[in-house]
Order: sequence, then structure tokens, then C-alpha cells
Amino acid sequence: DAGVTQSPTHLIKTRGQQVTLRCSPKSGHDTVSWYQQALGQGPQFIFQYYEEEERQRGNFPDRFSGHQFPNYSSELNVNALLLGDSALYLCASSQTMEETQYFGPGTRLLVL
Amino acid sequence: EDQVTQSPEALRLQEGESSSLNCSYTVSGLRGLFWYRQDPGKGPEFLFTLYSAGEEKEKERLKATLTKKESFLHITAPKPEDSATYLCAVSTGTYKYIFGTGTRLKVLA
Repeated sequence: DAGVTQSPTHLIKTRGQQVTLRCSPKSGHDTVSWYQQALGQGPQFIFQYYEEEERQRGNFPDRFSGHQFPNYSSELNVNALLLGDSALYLCASSQTMEETQYFGPGTRLLVL
Repeated sequence: EDQVTQSPEALRLQEGESSSLNCSYTVSGLRGLFWYRQDPGKGPEFLFTLYSAGEEKEKERLKATLTKKESFLHITAPKPEDSATYLCAVSTGTYKYIFGTGTRLKVLA
């Protein structure tokens, strides 16, 4: 049973560029959440997708956007990258009506 | 404002020396409280979900408990392989998830 997968594992971008990160949820899960984790900090909730719509959003600017596909996989897009966007980006999935989230290995983004 | 606070920030234990990690929270409409273990550079690994005050769950050397204001993660007779960052998180009535900053645990052989 495959767990949550994310791609790519690492990414280097320059300021002002745009990036797309991808996530496939755990088998049987239909809800996907995205988090940003800076070094030495806890994960910060970006948003959650359910039924292909953004259900809830954390305190992140509109530069952060997402999408969920009919197969429940998801993308996180970040526009106009800033140095401060450098972080580990985590995807987590869960089942409808279940609160427990399972995390993927993350994508390490470095903005130069 | 919804908030999760973990203490201590860092903890060093000798192998076999039991201790507890604390997670205090203030949230509107708690749906669940979660404990995760995170190794450096990796995604958090799920440990426990607690839903209501008085609930307890155990797994190997770990035991999680929940009250109306805080949760404890008790580590009994830890081993060096238990060294990691332990994260506490809550889910709110509006589907938001809030994490604490974690407790970095180091167990010395």
C-alpha cells in the first residue's frame, strides 16, 4: 500500500520564478493538505483540498494556490518566489470524516 | 486565537530515563489532537490521534494522554533510536490544522 508521495524531492529556483509541486495521496484518501515548514519550525498550514475545491486556507498570500484533480492528487503552485519561500513543503492526506493526516516525505525548495 | 505550545523545546535523556513532553493548546472547537515524530529532513510520521479529554493511547514505549487544555507524550525507558523531533498538532472546527514548534529529543546511550 503506497503512502503519500511527493515530487520532486528537491528544487532550486530564483527569485521571481514560479514553481509547481505535486502530491499523490495515500490509497483510499480523498483529502489533501499542504504545509510549509521552515528550518527549526513546526509545519504551517497552507490550505486543504476536498472534492477538488479549497475547503480551508491558512495565513498565506494569494501567491500560493493549488489544485486537486479527480483522482485526488494535488498540486501546489507558488508564484513570484521570494527568498523566504525556501522551506520544506509537505503534503498530507486523509479520508473524509477522519481527522488523522498522513504525510509525504516533502519537497525541499531553495530560492536563490 | 488558536494556538499550540510545546515544551520543552529540547530535551536530553540518558537511555532508560523516562520523561514527558507537554503540548498545551487553546482552540475553538477541537476536532482532534495529534502527535507525530519527525526525523531530520523527512516528513512527520504519525503516532497518535486523541479526540476527547481522558483518552489515552499507547504504542511501544510511548503513551499519549489528553486533558481539556493539554496533552502529554510519555516516553518510558527511551532508547537512542527514539531521538527525533516530536510534533503536536490540533485540528479545529473549521478544518484548520495548527502545529506546535516541536520538542527535539536526544537520547544518549
